[in-house]
Amino acid sequence: GAVVSQHPSWVICKSGTSVKIECRSLDFQATTMFWYRQFPKQSLMLMATSNEGSKATYEQGVEKDKFLINHASLTLSTLTVTSAHPEDSSFYICSARSSLAGAREQYFGPGTRLTVT
Amino acid sequence: SQQGEEDPQALSIQEGENATMNCSYKTSINNLQWYRQNSGRGLVHLILIRSNEREKHSGRLRVTLDTSKKSSSLLITASRAADTASYFCATARDQTGANNLFFGTGTRLTVIP
Repeated sequence: GAVVSQHPSWVICKSGTSVKIECRSLDFQATTMFWYRQFPKQSLMLMATSNEGSKATYEQGVEKDKFLINHASLTLSTLTVTSAHPEDSSFYICSARSSLAGAREQYFGPGTRLTVT
Repeated sequence: SQQGEEDPQALSIQEGENATMNCSYKTSINNLQWYRQNSGRGLVHLILIRSNEREKHSGRLRVTLDTSKKSSSLLITASRAADTASYFCATARDQTGANNLFFGTGTRLTVIP
């Protein structure tokens, strides 16, 4: 149980285009999902917290207009990187927390590698 | 920065040896968690230790927590080549333990067969 998937697993796009990454909780409902970014050989940095049916909460320094997050259902959150630039190339990882009361763990997706050329 | 630090940054050992990784953090916490990440993959949750616990075991894993020193250690005993991965500690400040995880810098472990 507690499987989180991401799609696509990797994507290459040209500068100026937008890319949408999906995060799905496959066998549980997730009120809250998290989006992280990881640069090569570095740690995960929390970008934003996504709550179903409400606006995402962005961490300091993360542009909300550039990284659009939509959490329209209890099993799906999407991250859209708008007007992508080469410096946005990174590994994007989502995680999900169960809607069950007292849920503690975050379950992580396998990540999406974005390369902007 | 809220990010913790881990040492060593990289560790290379022979199969069968024990591996110890340390994590230091800066703020008060509700719990601390350890994760494993294979190269280019997502994270796998290994173990969670609450702030009122000092030691926890899970299989070949042993985690300690010293809140007075704001530090934790992860010991992997009898290492195997399959343990090769990056290991991250992450701190959670709220009671649910599942909001706003702040990750350490990670230790890259290589186990030589």
